[in-house]
Order: sequence, then structure tokens, then C-alpha cells
Amino acid sequence: EAQVTQNPRYLITVTGKKLTVTCSQNMNHEYMSWYRQDPGLGLRQIYYSMNVEVTDKGDVPEGYKVSRKEKRNFPLILESPSPNQTSLYFCASSPEGGYRTEAFFGQGTRLTVV
Amino acid sequence: AQSVTQLGSHVSVSEGALVLLRCNYSSSVPPYLFWYVQYPNQGLQLLLKYTSAATLVKGINGFEAEFKKSETSFHLTKPSAHMSDAAEYFCAVSETYNTDKLIFGTGTRLQVFP
Repeated sequence: EAQVTQNPRYLITVTGKKLTVTCSQNMNHEYMSWYRQDPGLGLRQIYYSMNVEVTDKGDVPEGYKVSRKEKRNFPLILESPSPNQTSLYFCASSPEGGYRTEAFFGQGTRLTVV
Repeated sequence: AQSVTQLGSHVSVSEGALVLLRCNYSSSVPPYLFWYVQYPNQGLQLLLKYTSAATLVKGINGFEAEFKKSETSFHLTKPSAHMSDAAEYFCAVSETYNTDKLIFGTGTRLQVFP
């Protein structure tokens, strides 16, 4: 089954404790992105990647890191989480050519930073 | 910079009534336009997309949208609402010559009353 898998689905952590949210897709897509969803703000892009070893900042990259060492994986790293990073996070992937066709989304990761 | 405006963060309709969710975009070049739906505790899934073919686009679950260049709009409609349509709906845009980013609106939550 074609899918984007995020882990964990739910995470509660403390301020400053490094964490990683994993994202994996099995569709051989080139494009992958991370979004955060906040009430009244919709989805905002954090980082995106056009291919292996190619990443770029989205609209709200501060406090986040990503890496793309393999085509299928695109982990999101919070080196020192803060309460304002409490949000619902989505990973998405799209075929070659970027977002001119369908983007496939993971189920989401609800992160709470206390 | 391109942007997407969704008028009305909440829309309520009765079962069987017309559904109209509004989306306006700002883009200097012909865009790709999308509507995504998010059911509770799930990721986003594609409802329909406009990619410069027919201006009236039909999607899943009886939804359709019309691209109107003169009005820079891409409103989503369904003739007869069903209880199962209750969800959050997001309009999104990607520019034809820069498909590396997918920009989302702030979302419209649709409630359907019996």
C-alpha cells in the first residue's frame, strides 16, 4: 500500500530535550516536506527536499533541522524544543516535478512541549 | 509572494443543502490549485486538483470546483451535503514555474446538521 508513515503519532516532551520525528514514504517520490498545523493558521511549510541531499527552508524553519540521506526518509529534528513548537506536524511527499500533482500526507504527529 | 485566502473559517449547512467553500488565490502566473480534506485525527487527502486543463474540475465524493481566472477564485461546491462531509477543507496553490512549494489556506471547517 502506498503510504507516508510518521512516527510517533503522539509525543509529549520537555523543553530542551532533543527529539526526532521520522517520516518514510514507499512511493519512490522525490519531493518531501514537513508542515506544521496550528489553529487559524492552516498548514505552514517548515522544510522541503527536492531529492537526496537537497533540502531548503520553508516559511517557518526556525528551531528545526532536517536531513535527506535516503530517498524514502525525511526526519524532522528539534534540537532544543520549546513550548511554541507545540503543534500538529505532517510529512508529505510528491512525485518528480514537485507539487503539480497530488501530495501524499502522513497521519500526523501531535507534539506537546512542556 | 503567492497566497491563498479561504473566506470563512467555519461553515454550517443542513444535510441535503448546497455546500460552498470559498478560495481565492494570488499568483502572478497560472497556478496549480488543489482542495484537500482532513477528517478528524487523519492526514490530508486530495479532493480535486486544477492543472490548466478543464476549468470545471470534478473530485471525489461528489465535490467539484471551478477555476475562474478573472476572479482568481477556485471555490469548492457540492450540491447536496452529507453528514460524512463534516471535516476541515484546505485550498492550496503551487505556481506553474515553481512547483517546489505548496501553499495552503487557513482552512474551513464544515459542519453538517441533520
